[in-house]
Amino acid sequence: GAGVSQTPSNKVTEKGKYVELRCDPISGHTALYWYRQSLGQGPEFLIYFQGTGAADDSGLPNDRFFAVRPEGSVSTLKIQRTERGDSAVYLCASSQPGQGQPQHFGDGTRLSIL
Amino acid sequence: QKEVEQNSGPLSVPEGAIASLNCTYSDRGSQSFFWYRQYSGKSPELIMSIYSNGDKEDGRFTAQLNKASQYVSLLIRDSQPSDSATYLCAATAGSGGSNYKLTFGKGTLLTVNP
Repeated sequence: GAGVSQTPSNKVTEKGKYVELRCDPISGHTALYWYRQSLGQGPEFLIYFQGTGAADDSGLPNDRFFAVRPEGSVSTLKIQRTERGDSAVYLCASSQPGQGQPQHFGDGTRLSIL
Repeated sequence: QKEVEQNSGPLSVPEGAIASLNCTYSDRGSQSFFWYRQYSGKSPELIMSIYSNGDKEDGRFTAQLNKASQYVSLLIRDSQPSDSATYLCAATAGSGGSNYKLTFGKGTLLTVNP
């Protein structure tokens, strides 16, 4: 079956602009996660959705970052007033419901802020 | 700050040898552990999950978990050049019902020489 789909694959924008990153999880996976990976580092947790609600947004770095999942499937990560330090690969993962389920990652969106 | 530590490598082994990758974690409450393989420029790919002390084998891969020592390892038998990648160790957070939030190590770069 289809894996986790993320769009766009690459996004280049100027400092101060607004960006939206989209994630379409594996069908039937009710749990969805966003991570951010910088060069030479492992992915860092941003936010976790179980269904439509954000069950844990403790990893969002500040209030410029926001994510939604209005119908419990596709999720959008939104970044306002982008800064050069936001440049990274943004990874989305999904899993079956329940604690400790293996998470399957999409190909990511490489975000570059000029 | 809960941490997952890995030797960054590079670890270089000849084709056909056993590659041994190691990981320690600081959160004694962690319950679920995962190994991901990440090729350069690609997203993490799940290769093993382990939840109980002992060994878990899947094809050429064996994961080992020792919760008392807070240690996880991955053995790759009969290493192939196609195994050359960065291997990421991840553990779920142990506190507050957060057995979904993955903390990753920085990864170990494995090179298998033909």
